[in-house]
Amino acid sequence: QKEVEQNSGPLSVPEGAIASLNCTYSDRGSQSFFWYRQYSGKSPELIMFIYSNGDKEDGRFTAQLNKASQYVSLLIRDSQPSDSATYLCAVTPGGSNYKLTFGKGTLLTVNP
Amino acid sequence: GAVVSQHPSRVICKSGTSVKIECRSLDFQATTMFWYRQFPKQSLMLMATSNEGSKATYEQGVEKDKFLINHASLTLSTLTVTSAHPEDSSFYICSASLGNQPQHFGDGTRLSIL
Repeated sequence: QKEVEQNSGPLSVPEGAIASLNCTYSDRGSQSFFWYRQYSGKSPELIMFIYSNGDKEDGRFTAQLNKASQYVSLLIRDSQPSDSATYLCAVTPGGSNYKLTFGKGTLLTVNP
Repeated sequence: GAVVSQHPSRVICKSGTSVKIECRSLDFQATTMFWYRQFPKQSLMLMATSNEGSKATYEQGVEKDKFLINHASLTLSTLTVTSAHPEDSSFYICSASLGNQPQHFGDGTRLSIL
């Protein structure tokens, strides 16, 4: 059973702080890693994707991948109340057109 | 960015009704489309993978005769929930991808069966 594990939260941070979201996966063959944001009642929205070990930055978001530890994280700098949502980690064994396995998501609350 | 349109956004109907949901990629040709289902407070569960012009591949436990998928073109896939029952009530979401590009999701369809 290929699994993606996330702390369900809720993770609560004050506005302006760094939010750190973590994800581990069981399938060592995983090649592509994604972070999606899902607001309540809405569909997921792609935030970041990462394929190689190391860090990838896009604006306030940084994805970090460590394949040896089977660990991927998302850092959100200068957190805003509008960042409050559930963050879903997803992995796939191949390219992006392979099926995604999702974690259960971490609920993030950014307090004004 | 890639846009995926899903219609209708909400359906409320009686038990026994068949419901068709459309998923369109508006600004790109999707080689693969995916159908997911999400129950309250749970993550997305993949139901099936659909490639244009071929039969869909269903995940274990998903009844292909109940959830009919048609992927007639590179921009359109449909999911038909046949003879829907209250236990089929859920949030159905499609996604589309082109080659190795990340999947982009439609807005979802909230299905409520009375």
